[in-house]
Formats: sequence, structure tokens, C-alpha cells
Amino acid sequence: EAQVTQNPRYLITVTGKKLTVTCSQNMNHEYMSWYRQDPGLGLRQIYYSMNVEVTDKGDVPEGYKVSRKEKRNFPLILESPSPNQTSLYFCASSFLLAGTEQFFGPGTRLTVL
Amino acid sequence: KNEVEQSPQNLTAQEGEFITINCSYSVGISALHWLQQHPGGGIVSLFMLSSGKKKHGRLIATINIQEKHSSLHITASHPRDSAVYICAVNSGGGADGLTFGKGTHLIIQP
Repeated sequence: EAQVTQNPRYLITVTGKKLTVTCSQNMNHEYMSWYRQDPGLGLRQIYYSMNVEVTDKGDVPEGYKVSRKEKRNFPLILESPSPNQTSLYFCASSFLLAGTEQFFGPGTRLTVL
Repeated sequence: KNEVEQSPQNLTAQEGEFITINCSYSVGISALHWLQQHPGGGIVSLFMLSSGKKKHGRLIATINIQEKHSSLHITASHPRDSAVYICAVNSGGGADGLTFGKGTHLIIQP
């Protein structure tokens, strides 16, 4: 089954404790991205990757890192999480950057205390 | 940067009603997406449009490139259509990803 998986689905952590949210897709998609969703602000892009070893900042990259060492995986790293990073996070992939269907992961609800 | 506006923000209707959700954007695009998000969070792609009209079951999406406007219609609405509907665009040129509207929260009452 074609899908995007994220882990963990739920995470409660404390300020400053490094964490990684994994994202994996099985569709051989070139384009992958991370979004955060906040009430009243909607979805905003954090980082995106157009292919292996090619990543770039989205609209709200501060406090986040990503890597794309393999085509299928695109982990999101929070080196020192802060409470303002409490949010619902989505990973997504598509065959190309534009003009192709977007596939979203199930979301990761992160709470930073 | 493209600005994406959706209306209405909230919509409550009775089962069976014809529903229209609107989306406008400020800068030319290469594609427009309509997404559905049910309570519980998962996001599903409904349509991707670059011109004209698409239909899938009771859902119809249209786009007018000249007017920078798209509509999502739901015919014979049903309580299971209750969800947040999100419009998103790929702006033409550059390497930007999706820019999203803030969503329309639709409730269909039995």
C-alpha cells in the first residue's frame, strides 16, 4: 500500500531534550516536506527536500533540522525543543515539487513542556 | 509570496444541501490542491487542478485561472462530509512548496 508513515504519532517531552520525528514513504517520491499546523495559522512549511542530499528552508525553519540521506526517509530533528514548538506536524511527499498529488503522513502531535 | 484566502471559515448546513467553499489566491500558480482533514487529524488529497473542472463522486472542483479563484462543491451533503477543507497552491516558478489557506470547517447536521 502506498503510504507515508510518521513516528511517533504522539510525543510529550521537556524543553531542551533532543528529539527526532521520522518520516518514510514507499512511493519513490522525489519531493518530501515537513509542515506544522497550529490553530488559527493553518499549515506552514518547515523544510522541504527535492531529492537526496537536497534540502531547503520553508517558511518557519527556526529550531528545526532535517536530513535526506535516502530517498525514502526525511527525518525532522529538534535539537533543543521549546514550548513554542508544541504543534501538530505532518510529513508529505509527492512525485514532483508541483503539479502532482500530495500524500500526507498521519501526523505527529508534539507537546513540549 | 502567494496569499491564499478561503471562505467561509465555518459553515454549518443540513444534510442534503449543496455546499460551496471558495478559495482565492494572489499570484499565478502551477497547481491548486483541495485537501480534506477529518477530526483526528489525517489529511487526504481530494483534487489537484491546474485548469477547468474535476469531479469525483459528489465532489466537484473548479478553477478560474484568470480570476485566481477556485471552488469546491459538495452535492447532496452528508454528515460524513463534516471535516476541514483546505485549499493549497503551488506557486508558478521557484522551488516553493505548498502555500495553504486556513481551512473551512464544515459541519453537516442530520
